[in-house]
Amino acid sequence: AQRVTQPEKLLSVFKGAPVELKCNYSYSGSPELFWYVQYSRQRLQLLLRHISRESIKGFTADLNKGETSFHLKKPFAQEEDSAMYYCALRSAGAGRRALTFGSGTRLQVQP
Amino acid sequence: GAVVSQHPSWVICKSGTSVKIECRSLDFQATTMFWYRQFPKQSLMLMATSNEGSKATYEQGVEKDKFLINHASLTLSTLTVTSAHPEDSSFYICSANPREAEAFFGQGTRLTVV
Repeated sequence: AQRVTQPEKLLSVFKGAPVELKCNYSYSGSPELFWYVQYSRQRLQLLLRHISRESIKGFTADLNKGETSFHLKKPFAQEEDSAMYYCALRSAGAGRRALTFGSGTRLQVQP
Repeated sequence: GAVVSQHPSWVICKSGTSVKIECRSLDFQATTMFWYRQFPKQSLMLMATSNEGSKATYEQGVEKDKFLINHASLTLSTLTVTSAHPEDSSFYICSANPREAEAFFGQGTRLTVV
């Protein structure tokens, strides 16, 4: 069975502070990992995926297979980063398989 | 990016009635769509996989007779909550993938059963 764990329900930081949203997973095969973001009153949207290895809105995430982690990081938080963040997993090479989501972490960036 | 649209965005219905929620892929064809349910302050839980032209695949614990799914065309899947009860009140979200790309999500439907 596959599982995604986000240990923090809420992460509150001040503007300009570094941010790290934790995500750990368990999966027996080869996974694809994603971070999705949901801003207030908006739909869920993709922030980044591990195979792209890109930085979106200053966020990066590295897949660590040894630690089975995919933590989301940003060096300097902005107020507009306040949102709900979900880590998600699906089987690699299975484009139309459903995602398994973590429970989500609410990021609050205070001025 | 691709657009997935759900309708309605919110609905209130009486106990015992049925409610239909539509999920449309507006600019791509989707042979597969996914239906999720999200309780307040909780994660999205997969309910079922909707397959165009064939039966939906339901996750364990999801009653297929209660949550009827129809995927009659390549751009439309519907979820019908039959004989709704207050415990069915939730946020229902659909998603679809253009080709092998990322999943795109609908805006969700908030169902309140009174």
